[in-house]
Amino acid sequence: GESVGLHLPTLSVQEGDNSIINCAYSNSASDYFIWYKQESGKGPQFIIDIRSNMDKRQGQRVTVLLNKTVKHLSLQIAATQPGDSAVYFCAENPLLRNNAGNMLTFGGGTRLMVKP
Amino acid sequence: DSGVTQTPKHLITATGQRVTLRCSPRSGDLSVYWYQQSLDQGLQFLIQYYNGEERAKGNILERFSAQQFPDLHSELNLSSLELGDSALYFCASSKRSVGTDTQYFGPGTRLTVL
Repeated sequence: GESVGLHLPTLSVQEGDNSIINCAYSNSASDYFIWYKQESGKGPQFIIDIRSNMDKRQGQRVTVLLNKTVKHLSLQIAATQPGDSAVYFCAENPLLRNNAGNMLTFGGGTRLMVKP
Repeated sequence: DSGVTQTPKHLITATGQRVTLRCSPRSGDLSVYWYQQSLDQGLQFLIQYYNGEERAKGNILERFSAQQFPDLHSELNLSSLELGDSALYFCASSKRSVGTDTQYFGPGTRLTVL
């Protein structure tokens, strides 16, 4: 199955609807946040990123919102398609300010299922 | 296709054994990262190399080691394997070692320890 069979929260949406996937991050010092998509049997794929000096960033059909006050990140997918079915991870880089490397800390992931 | 290659795709071995996972970064990328994805721990950062030198270290076990060679490919060595080491191991690469560099992930190596 997807990822390694983790028991993940699941979001089930109808094809064509908008999806919102949420993530709470842990490190208030993190400056950089990324959303990755992981399809079954594949590695994580970069979707979109955002710096802490922004609260919104838009890509193609995707929007990331950042609320630093409550340490919350969300990914909005417009007009969700069957090909969007995957596990979505948020990630933060806690070492950015220290310039001591480039490690990512990943959230637990959310499984998105798109019903045709 | 991210451009990051990993071999082998699958690896089955026994407890106590040692294995080597290999990663070739995208052309032009100087940083290589290793991550472990397991059932109970999710995706966890293990270690980063930049242009041949260790740059950042996560919760990597002492039984695990890595290196990056002059041609920039990297190897992750796992020794004295235990059942709990069964997981997906991903390699990622990025151009530099700046925090906002996008990390591109390979397809992973699935390790099964019996």
